[in-house]
Amino acid sequence: DTAVSQTPKYLVTQMGNDKSIKCEQNLGHDTMYWYKQDSKKFLKIMFSYNNKELIINETVPNRFSPKSPDKAHLNLHINSLELGDSAVYFCASSRRQDGETQYFGPGTRLLVL
Amino acid sequence: DAKTTQPTSMDCAEGRAANLPCNHSTISGNEYVYWYRQIHSQGPQYIIHGLKNNETNEMASLIITEDRKSSTLILPHATLRDTAVYYCIVRVWGNTGKLIFGQGTTLQVKP
Repeated sequence: DTAVSQTPKYLVTQMGNDKSIKCEQNLGHDTMYWYKQDSKKFLKIMFSYNNKELIINETVPNRFSPKSPDKAHLNLHINSLELGDSAVYFCASSRRQDGETQYFGPGTRLLVL
Repeated sequence: DAKTTQPTSMDCAEGRAANLPCNHSTISGNEYVYWYRQIHSQGPQYIIHGLKNNETNEMASLIITEDRKSSTLILPHATLRDTAVYYCIVRVWGNTGKLIFGQGTTLQVKP
């Protein structure tokens, strides 16, 4: 009964491919987030959705497209993968849009070759 | 959101209290202090937050100075499992949920 789950855990792919990462939360939260942690371990927010509506869209290449089919799911699709996209991607959720306590998933480790 | 400054790394002996400082000298009146930690290869984990009063929960205590320009996270009896990167974050309650993570403090608990 994991609170925030992500699939896959590891993803190794070639440059130029398109891939998706899925996130699901069973906490009944309204808001979900995607964060990226690069090789230097800096953790930065990418997107946030509240009740399926985009509320945060940081300066992220438009090759990254989040999709929220319902408020329990927030997926991240990445087109034309580049070497610099290699990172750990974390999904998180919070009860409300104001952030409160955020609960993070275990991360998806993406390696682009 | 105000900027925070933390030491890059600290050591603590197992069983002793770990005191992690954070400076946030430009904090404004409506900004809260949050602490999260990230154990190696895991997602960040919420620890505690506060506005101006000291706070305590089952994980830690948060001491905020009277002028609110700095705070200290206290892990009362550190264990090896507390080895992690600890992030002090300042943000306005009610803003969008964006958390801005700095470099944090790497706490190494030693036997």
